[in-house]
Amino acid sequence: SYELTQPPSVSVSPGQTASITCSGDKLENKYTCWYQQKPGQSPVLVIYQDSMRPSGIPERFSGSNSGNTATLTISGTQAMDEADYYCQAWDSRTLYVFGTGTKVTVL
Amino acid sequence: QVQLVQSGAEVKKPGASVKVSCKASGYTFTGYYIHWVRQAPGQGLEWMGRINTNSGGTNYAQNFQGRVTMTRDTSISTAYLELSRLRSDDTAVYYCARGYDSRGLDYWGQGTLVTVSS
Repeated sequence: SYELTQPPSVSVSPGQTASITCSGDKLENKYTCWYQQKPGQSPVLVIYQDSMRPSGIPERFSGSNSGNTATLTISGTQAMDEADYYCQAWDSRTLYVFGTGTKVTVL
Repeated sequence: QVQLVQSGAEVKKPGASVKVSCKASGYTFTGYYIHWVRQAPGQGLEWMGRINTNSGGTNYAQNFQGRVTMTRDTSISTAYLELSRLRSDDTAVYYCARGYDSRGLDYWGQGTLVTVSS
């Protein structure tokens, strides 16, 4: 089965840039999405189709996907961005797979 | 506005079945798949499968094949997840979410806690 690996945790200072990676075999051949989940809440879609932002998602969230790695970048990180982040890959054969999740701490 | 409202928490004994509902509103129900995702306590997200709300066709994750059934009732814009032969490690929050292939899961229900305990 297809697997996506993320670092368990990322720490960032307020105003700095946080980068969260998601690794999978030939990941560039799949579409990736990213979700933000705060404690006790349902996940929120922040990036789809590798780099597209849904309506209402701040511009500081951006995404890319190349080779075996997709990356979610949070520029000018704010305290409100502290959350768990999950990548997810899709293609017509594998369908949906979630990554292992990354806890982002804003110090 | 788009809303997915799920049924309430359940407590089940091992070996039993559970059925969770997800009522959609604010959009054309048959225009999107409904997906089911679960999250065990302190763990990550796990995709369980999806239902084509138009045709009723389903795709299930391999981990749940044979134990999961997804159905829908278009007359009341509601999707259902049934999980059978429950085990203690099925204790989790179960979410429904609206999705369409590469566009991801853009709206989520509030989650339903299913506790499996003897």
